Amino acid sequence: DTGVSQDPRHKITKRGQNVTFRCDPISEHNRLYWYRQTLGQGPEFLTYFQNEAQLEKSRLLSDRFSAERPKGSFSTLEIQRTEQGDSAMYLCASGRSTDTQYFGPGTRLTVL
Amino acid sequence: GENVEQHPSTLSVQEGDSAVIKCTYSDSASNYFPWYKQELGKGPQLIIDIRSNVGEKKDQRIAVTLNKTAKHFSLHITETQPEDSAVYFCAASSGGTASKLTFGTGTRLQVTL
Repeated sequence: DTGVSQDPRHKITKRGQNVTFRCDPISEHNRLYWYRQTLGQGPEFLTYFQNEAQLEKSRLLSDRFSAERPKGSFSTLEIQRTEQGDSAMYLCASGRSTDTQYFGPGTRLTVL
Repeated sequence: GENVEQHPSTLSVQEGDSAVIKCTYSDSASNYFPWYKQELGKGPQLIIDIRSNVGEKKDQRIAVTLNKTAKHFSLHITETQPEDSAVYFCAASSGGTASKLTFGTGTRLQVTL
């Protein structure tokens, strides 16, 4: 257990529904990342926060995706109008002002 | 952007043998190279990392080597045990604002008795 927690661990939804995931980073970690991992692949970067500021977003992050980190603590990732292609493991990672990133257990999303 | 290739995709070794996983990267600006172990249904767990100013790093049965000229780095696991069975990912980061990681496609390691 790295100390990064994610909720829920599993989410099953129907196509077109909105879903929201939460990540609680290790306390005092100012960096927070979201990655997406599909079956048989490595994680792919989605977005990055330093404190409450969202400083970088991947092209993978379509306008149906939005992430927030109010007050620089926990973060939420929302997917609107889910599609079957959104089915994946969504991973959160946190770190201090260095490169090292510690991952949470992930939220597995299944879109029916 | 950065591209990381990882080989082999699967590796089967007998308990007690050594395992080697190799990765190459494309961006010469990359300066941080972590390795993660991922077990089924869990998030990636950092097992060792190396920075570009170091050529080799060791932690008990695990070692990582880096060749900046050739742009490749390798993970070495000695005296493998059944609990080493998992998927291993290499990654590279070129720093910058985000220090985002670009991952390889993973190696499934199976340690047999």
